[in-house]
Parts: sequence; structure tokens; C-alpha cells
Amino acid sequence: GAVVSQHPSRVICKSGTSVKIECRSLDFQATTMFWYRQFPKKSLMLMATSNEGSKATYEQGVEKDKFLINHASLTLSTLTVTSAHPEDSSFYICSARDFTSGRAHEQFFGPGTRLTVL
Amino acid sequence: RKEVEQDPGPFNVPEGATVAFNCTYSNSASQSFFWYRQDCRKEPKLLMSVYSSGNEDGRFTAQLNRASQYISLLIRDSKLSDSATYLCVVIPQGDFNKFYFGSGTKLNVKP
Repeated sequence: GAVVSQHPSRVICKSGTSVKIECRSLDFQATTMFWYRQFPKKSLMLMATSNEGSKATYEQGVEKDKFLINHASLTLSTLTVTSAHPEDSSFYICSARDFTSGRAHEQFFGPGTRLTVL
Repeated sequence: RKEVEQDPGPFNVPEGATVAFNCTYSNSASQSFFWYRQDCRKEPKLLMSVYSSGNEDGRFTAQLNRASQYISLLIRDSKLSDSATYLCVVIPQGDFNKFYFGSGTKLNVKP
């Protein structure tokens, strides 16, 4: 149980384009999902907390107009990187907590999306 | 100062060796701690929680030292399949929505 999927797994795009990444909880409902970014050899950094039916909460230094988050249903959150630039190239990972399991403290991670902006 | 700090390694050890990693955290009020494992270009997966009294899961032992604000992971009888990056995670008091990750310690187990 507690499986999280992400799509696409990899995307290469031109500078200036927007990229949408989907995060789905496959076998549980997730009122809260999390978006992380990981640069090579660096730690995962929380970008924002996505809340179903309400606005996302962004971490300090993360531009909400640059990284648009939508959590329209209990199983889907999307992250859109708008007007992507090469410095946005990174590994984006989402996670969710399953409050119905006995492991509510754990975050289950999606397989990640590797974004390369040319 | 970073919330969580780890020695990046790499730790290069032969099969069968015992290896230990430490991770220090800055917030003394932190309440929960985990070790995650991350394979190259993959997502992190929970390895084990860290309990105050220390805990063991097979070849893996985790310990918490609140006085010195660090957690440790000991791996006995290393296997080739243990090669990965080990991330420590610290959660501040009362907020399981905030996972602070260390940058990871890379382990290479060699035949």
C-alpha cells in the first residue's frame, strides 16, 4: 500500500516553456502532498506543501508564481514550473502521508521527475 | 547553520565490514528522526525510524543521542546491495509535515 506515482519521469524542454508534473496517490487519499527539489549531491529541499482544496504553502525563497501548485482532488497534486530556465533543472519529487495506515508519520515518495531545461 | 548535517562520504568498505554514519541536527526540540535510503536517481525510501532507546532491524542499528544532538546508523556485515546514499531526516516538534533532510552519506560496498 501507500504508493505514489509521478508523471513524467523525465522531461527535457526549452528555456521559457512551462512544464507540468503530476503526483498521484494510487491507493490512498492524500489531503496533503509535498513537493521537494533535489540538486545533484544535495539534500532534498521542501518547496511547498500542497493542500487539497486550498492554497499551497510555500517555503521561504520559493516563488509561488514560478512554481504553481494545484491540488484539486484527494489523489492528485500538480506542480507547474512556469517559464522554465536552465537553473530550474533538477530532480523534483513529491510525497504524501497516508493517515489511514498505521504509518501516518511516514512520507511516501513518488519516483521523481528529472527536469532538464536547455 | 543547516538544520541537518551529514558527512557526504563516500565511505568505501569491503563486503562484510561494519560501517557507521552520524548525522547532527541543530534544533534541540526536534522530536522524530528517521533514516532513509536513496539509490542513484531514485526516490528516498524509509529504512528505519530512530527511537530514543535505540533500535535494531536486522543488520541495521539506529541510535539517538539527544545530549549531543546526533543520530547514528550502524550497518553490520555490509552487502553489495547496501551501496546507496543514506539520508537522515529530522522532524521538528509537533510538525510531521516538515521533513528536514540531510544531504546524505554515500556508501560504496565493494566485493
